[in-house]
Amino acid sequence: LAKTTQPISMDSYEGQEVNITCSHNNIATNDYITWYQQFPSQGPRFIIQGYKTKVTNEVASLFIPADRKSSTLSLPRVSLSDTAVYYCLGAGGYNKLIFGAGTRLAVHP
Amino acid sequence: DTAVSQTPKYLVTQMGNDKSIKCEQNLGHDTMYWYKQDSKKFLKIMFSYNNKELIINETVPNRFSPKSPDKAHLNLHINSLELGDSAVYFCASSQDEGGPPYEQYFGPGTRLTVT
Repeated sequence: LAKTTQPISMDSYEGQEVNITCSHNNIATNDYITWYQQFPSQGPRFIIQGYKTKVTNEVASLFIPADRKSSTLSLPRVSLSDTAVYYCLGAGGYNKLIFGAGTRLAVHP
Repeated sequence: DTAVSQTPKYLVTQMGNDKSIKCEQNLGHDTMYWYKQDSKKFLKIMFSYNNKELIINETVPNRFSPKSPDKAHLNLHINSLELGDSAVYFCASSQDEGGPPYEQYFGPGTRLTVT
């Protein structure tokens, strides 16, 4: 099961683009790289998932280089409501999710 | 239309008691999970269960037991509660047949306080 490493915390300001990088050197061949968001007093919420190259949805973009040993979650033009903890993990089916400490993102006015 | 619901939201009890937390999902998913989030915010999987297999995290004490009356429910029973069991417990579900995305839907959590 893949162990991930990401910054403990980040600060940003409203309207800026935020990039959170995650290292996963030992990700398994069949694992998808997945990001979750957690607000205080709520359960984690799925943001985006990808296997390689770039994935984009209405919330974020995910960039994965060819070696898949890292990934970058990009949040365009953050707002105060994006203040949350962001988790990077590998997912390859049930019982394959291991949540690390996550990155605590604080967005300031 | 709550996708994954848990009851109760808060649970305060004394050491040594036995308690249960209920979880229901209306998504038609085939797999359900229980997670524990401690005071340091680490989220650890405790169990995953579908109609074929129960997978138990080996670090979970046998005082914890999942019980699934049907596909839409996975309840968590805890015997002989200890102070260290105080945490937030999250239920989740996913549809794992058919491949990615391996997206799990989480419930709102149950904050358990053992005194």
